[in-house]
Amino acid sequence: QQPVQSPQAVILREGEDAVINCSSSKALYSVHWYRQKHGEAPVFLMILLKGGEQKGHEKISASFNEKKQQSSLYLTASQLSYSGTYFCGTDSGGYQKVTFGTGTKLQVIP
Amino acid sequence: GAGVSQSPSNKVTEKGKDVELRCDPISGHTALYWYRQSLGQGLEFLIYFQGNSAPDKSGLPSDRFSAERTGGSVSTLTIQRTQQEDSAVYLCASSRDGVGEQYFGPGTRLTVT
Repeated sequence: QQPVQSPQAVILREGEDAVINCSSSKALYSVHWYRQKHGEAPVFLMILLKGGEQKGHEKISASFNEKKQQSSLYLTASQLSYSGTYFCGTDSGGYQKVTFGTGTKLQVIP
Repeated sequence: GAGVSQSPSNKVTEKGKDVELRCDPISGHTALYWYRQSLGQGLEFLIYFQGNSAPDKSGLPSDRFSAERTGGSVSTLTIQRTQQEDSAVYLCASSRDGVGEQYFGPGTRLTVT
């Protein structure tokens, strides 16, 4: 099943913070976060693995609650370059496919 | 090093024609994904190849869609008898082992007239 993201869209002023949430109805092995700018391919931000391991860009922070099957992406002190659509992807382990949510459109304005 | 490449970048075809879309993954990556993205929409999973395992075809929307991956490298997505609703950007991604970061190609924009 497709993970559910919230909010669907958010507008921030530069310097403001935002949280994007991702939840799944299935037990998860990992959660992936990607950002896609208009007209471009998605770019990897972070992966969070069951057991607490995280890999990603230093300026990005996220959490993964395995029991609740939820993840949150934290964007602090937002910059104009943060604008784009954020996708979370989930998989249940065992080299299974990653299924992406419908995305959260983030717009940062001056 | 070279990233994921896709060809063609744009394809316009008439309804009912067959099309082939190509993906060249990063060398050595065992996992390869195809996704479809309609205008302003999310990433719709189509098919997943992992090593020598049988591909996960659970996302293919109809039997008009098929894909193959030759020699564990290049992949071709074929759409037969194209319909207008097939118009979308088709994205390919590869990852080193199927559990980590996916590297996306630039996509093929398919327009069915």
